[in-house]
Amino acid sequence: ETGVTQTPRHLVMGMTNKKSLKCEQHLGHNAMYWYKQSAKKPLELMFVYSLEERVENNSVPSRFSPECPNSSHLFLHLHTLQPEDSALYLCASSQVLGGRYNEQFFGPGTRLTVL
Amino acid sequence: AQSVTQLDSHVSVSEGTPVLLRCNYSSSYSPSLFWYVQHPNKGLQLLLKYTSAATLVKGINGFEAEFKKSETSFHLTKPSAHMSDAAEYFCVVREDTNAGKSTFGDGTTLTVKP
Repeated sequence: ETGVTQTPRHLVMGMTNKKSLKCEQHLGHNAMYWYKQSAKKPLELMFVYSLEERVENNSVPSRFSPECPNSSHLFLHLHTLQPEDSALYLCASSQVLGGRYNEQFFGPGTRLTVL
Repeated sequence: AQSVTQLDSHVSVSEGTPVLLRCNYSSSYSPSLFWYVQHPNKGLQLLLKYTSAATLVKGINGFEAEFKKSETSFHLTKPSAHMSDAAEYFCVVREDTNAGKSTFGDGTTLTVKP
């Protein structure tokens, strides 16, 4: 595998379910990101991890819980979601050098539908 | 603070004609600027980037963009559109002092007519 991969590509879940989205980057980067892309809305940054430490949390509801066990893997744990959480969830990674964040490389996304 | 405005939500061109997608930005510092393309049901792919080197930046698939500080613009152009260019395009501004936080434009949908 090359680049940034995300699994699953599609997910349908009920509001009481618990599921996790997985992202893996094969680029040797040390920063990873979660974005939410909803129809008719700008791309929303959710979380940023740099060197496995969360450096950005954009007022995301607690029903979304990120986890970054190492610099290559990023998870987004989901529980008791709402229908308005249905969206495309994009993962990205980048290299951080001397505090400078280089360009981000994106995965294909997970299309989430909450019933 | 930083912001980015994509001036057109939709652009339609005929195949073989030039493409112009407009982007204006504001930034308190010298920014880095990017253009990404997103095809349906796909992630975002980096087209090109400006990071304070040459002001005319060449990217993939024949696209290029020119950084104009006096106009705070970073418009994306291509001399001749191809059907495969039909997609959504995002202009992005980033200030390196802000933990890599990038601000995305709302996107421009490019339609290419045969």
